[in-house]
Amino acid sequence: GEDVEQSLFLSVREGDSSVINCTYTDSSSTYLYWYKQEPGAGLQLLTYIFSNMDMKQDQRLTVLLNKKDKHLSLRIADTQTGDSAIYFCAESIGDDKIIFGKGTRLHILP
Amino acid sequence: DTAVSQTPKYLVTQMGNDKSIKCEQNLGHDTMYWYKQDSKKFLKIMFSYNNKELIINETVPNRFSPKSPDKAHLNLHINSLELGDSAVYFCASSQEFLRGANTDTQYFGPGTRLTVL
Repeated sequence: GEDVEQSLFLSVREGDSSVINCTYTDSSSTYLYWYKQEPGAGLQLLTYIFSNMDMKQDQRLTVLLNKKDKHLSLRIADTQTGDSAIYFCAESIGDDKIIFGKGTRLHILP
Repeated sequence: DTAVSQTPKYLVTQMGNDKSIKCEQNLGHDTMYWYKQDSKKFLKIMFSYNNKELIINETVPNRFSPKSPDKAHLNLHINSLELGDSAVYFCASSQEFLRGANTDTQYFGPGTRLTVL
C-alpha cells in the first residue's frame, strides 16, 4: 500500500544542521514535498522536488531524493529557534492523491 | 476504520451551482482544517475550526463557508461555483491547537476532486 514514514522527533542544537528523513513506498510519485507547521498555523509549503531530480537547494534548505531507496531528506543549515515546528513529508501520486507522513517535531536546543 | 473521511471523492458540477463537501473524523480530535490543493499540487490552508469555533480564516472568497455542526464534522459549502474553484480539497484533523509551542500531527482525508464545468 501507499505509505510515508518519518521519525516523530528530532532535537538539534541551535546553529547545527538538522536532517529530517522520510521514506515512501509508492515509486510512481510525481512530486515530493516538505511542509512546515508552526504553532497556531496550518501547513505551509516549505519546498518540493520533482521526482526526476535528486537534489534541490533553496537558501538554508537542501532536499535530497534517492529514488532507488525511496528516501527523501530535508537538511536545514544553521538551525535557528524559528525553525522549531513539525515538518511533514508528502508525496503526490497521479492527479488527485497526496499521502502525508505523520510529521517530525523539530526541537531546537539552546 | 477510516480516521478522516470525505464525501464525495469526486464532484463534477456546473458553474453557478452550490455544492457541499463533507468531512468527518472519528479520532476525537478538537481541530479540523480545510486545504485547497492548487494546480502545482501545493496545499493552501483555507479554514480551521477548534471545538466548533473558527480559528483560521485565510483569504478565500466568501462564497466558501465552513460549517461545523459538531467537533467531529467540518463541512465546506461553496456557493456560485466558478471554474477557478476546480481543485482537490483536503480535510484534516489534529488533537490540539494553539497550545503554546505545541502542535500536533494532522491526519488527512483522501481528498475530494471538484471539477467545475
